[in-house]
Amino acid sequence: DIVMTQSPDSLAVSLGERATINCKSSQSVLSRSNNNNYLAWYQHKPGQPPNLLFYWASTRASGVPDRFSGSGSGTDFTLTISSLQAEDVAVYYCQQYYTTPLTFGGGTKVEIK
Amino acid sequence: QLHLEQSGAEVKKPGASVKVSCKASGDTFSSYAMYWVRLAPGQRLEWMGWSNAGNGNTKYSQDFQGRVTITRDTYASTVFMDLTGLRVEDTAVYYCASGSSGFPWFDSWGQGTLVTVSS
Repeated sequence: DIVMTQSPDSLAVSLGERATINCKSSQSVLSRSNNNNYLAWYQHKPGQPPNLLFYWASTRASGVPDRFSGSGSGTDFTLTISSLQAEDVAVYYCQQYYTTPLTFGGGTKVEIK
Repeated sequence: QLHLEQSGAEVKKPGASVKVSCKASGDTFSSYAMYWVRLAPGQRLEWMGWSNAGNGNTKYSQDFQGRVTITRDTYASTVFMDLTGLRVEDTAVYYCASGSSGFPWFDSWGQGTLVTVSS
């Protein structure tokens, strides 16, 4: 199984400041055949289902504000919120879909400082 | 993209079974693979299995092999997740999900169904 490890577990950032979340996979999720990274990011708020933010590591999903960005390749990935807003308080998860079982990171809780 | 509506919360005793339903609307159900993911307290999101578009063939996580069955009723645009031999640690919110791309990332989710297992 591909193990997804996120860091940090939690993060407190001032409004308007940058938040950076890291995700590391135990093996590469980069496909050599199409040069795509099989990695997605989700935002999860209490009482709601998760919301897709990115797929192919850096392709923003529909409706996602451009203060969110996804980057990385191979085994190391980053989700960045360039200017934290109050509505961004949530738990963020990465997910690999390179192979089954599909696996998720442990989540990073983002709060306001 | 599908809209997904799940059945309501369940309370079960250890050893019992639960069947959660997920009704889809908004697009051609048979074109979508359907997935089940759960979130237990203090745990990470956990993929349980999927039902392929079209033929409905299934694939399950080894962690649930033998206990989970995913079926779909194409005419009712509904997918079901049946979990047997419930344990206290199966207490979780269970989500159905789908992806409009055909790849297993999820841009549509049900609202979640809380299953509580307690004696």
